[in-house]
Amino acid sequence: AQKITQTQPGMFVQEKEAVTLDCTYDTSDQSYGLFWYKQPSSGEMIFLIYQGSYDEQNATEGRYSLNFQKARKSANLVISASQLGDSAMYFCAMREGSYNFNKFYFGSGTKLNVKP
Amino acid sequence: EAQVTQNPRYLITVTGKKLTVTCSQNMNHEYMSWYRQDPGLGLRQIYYSMNVEVTDKGDVPEGYKVSRKEKRNFPLILESPSPNQTSLYFCASSSTGVAFFGQGTRLTVV
Repeated sequence: AQKITQTQPGMFVQEKEAVTLDCTYDTSDQSYGLFWYKQPSSGEMIFLIYQGSYDEQNATEGRYSLNFQKARKSANLVISASQLGDSAMYFCAMREGSYNFNKFYFGSGTKLNVKP
Repeated sequence: EAQVTQNPRYLITVTGKKLTVTCSQNMNHEYMSWYRQDPGLGLRQIYYSMNVEVTDKGDVPEGYKVSRKEKRNFPLILESPSPNQTSLYFCASSSTGVAFFGQGTRLTVV
């Protein structure tokens, strides 16, 4: 079974509108971490936001927030007030366990296009 | 500036010619990994290292070797590259949470 599933290969959003990128995960561990990374056309991987499995509040970082629904095993990324510079590929990732800080699983990505 | 540095950024090589992609981090992180990114597949882990002289296979290790002789360096070695290893490669380092990535190496094997 896929550890991370991103079901939206591509999405369009109008500039200044909010957009939600979907991510579901699969793990039997109680302790895990969820991440979102942005990959612009230049290729680098930029860390956006992190949510720990024991965190009770949804993580927020500026215009980014992570809608964490533990029972549904979903970790959707919400970008508020989209900007043209948000056009990029977005990857959801999970780190399982408390001790193995090496093992990250990535989804297949969602390509976001922000229209002016 | 805290960073992970990969070299080279771009490489075109021929089948069977050994190559090494270097990776260095200046954050004193214990954990380092290599990933390859292919369209529609996201990033898949090739090898990882939990500390000096401690390495282990990830999900797609075939055709690759690594070494970790120093904490800061984690080179990726392709002893006999083949066209199916054409991909975008990332090195990453982490300590207790977030993985920080290098700029990527785009490798083409012809």
